[in-house]
Amino acid sequence: KQEVTQIPAALSVPEGENLVLNCSFTDSAIYNLQWFRQDPGKGLTSLLLIQSSQREQTSGRLNASLDKSSGRSTLYIAASQPGDSATYLCAVKKGAQKLVFGQGTRLTINP
Amino acid sequence: KAGVTQTPRYLIKTRGQQVTLSCSPISGHRSVSWYQQTPGQGLQFLFEYFSETQRNKGNFPGRFSGRQFSNSRSEMNVSTLELGDSALYLCASSLVGAGTDTQYFGPGTRLTVL
Repeated sequence: KQEVTQIPAALSVPEGENLVLNCSFTDSAIYNLQWFRQDPGKGLTSLLLIQSSQREQTSGRLNASLDKSSGRSTLYIAASQPGDSATYLCAVKKGAQKLVFGQGTRLTINP
Repeated sequence: KAGVTQTPRYLIKTRGQQVTLSCSPISGHRSVSWYQQTPGQGLQFLFEYFSETQRNKGNFPGRFSGRQFSNSRSEMNVSTLELGDSALYLCASSLVGAGTDTQYFGPGTRLTVL
């Protein structure tokens, strides 16, 4: 059974810092991995999707990497801003459309 | 292009009642998935529909059911509500095919069972 773990559960940093969020998964036979952000009481916003054949994806200040063999992904956020405060979730997909989610990292950027 | 829409946004029901939630996917998306989000269990997969057929189902009791219409809109139904069914219910739509796996989520329906 696929399990996804995100560490840390919560992170608070001052504005302007670069930071890394971690995601690990137990079954390396994944189809892809997706990072989302969720604002309080809202739905999920897709940030980046990495196919199993890829090593990383970039969008603006965000960079996500994937090491399938070790079952790890990282989301790097450069020059953090207060608007980046949210819960960040990673999810892996194996085969069909079912996503298995981690519990998320609650990120707070302090002005 | 309009995003995924879910109605209603909020619902309050009492134990034993049933409820129907609706999800309209992004135009052209034929796959719709449903998830339950609770503080204790996080996000858990309920089921996925594609072309009016249920393709995958999570580990939820039979009280949870769904369907998809020919226009790809989907509904989920929960019968005999229990207090533990209080959650944010999210649906997601996606194209199906190589390189088109991104799932786009709606804002969710917040269900409170009293």
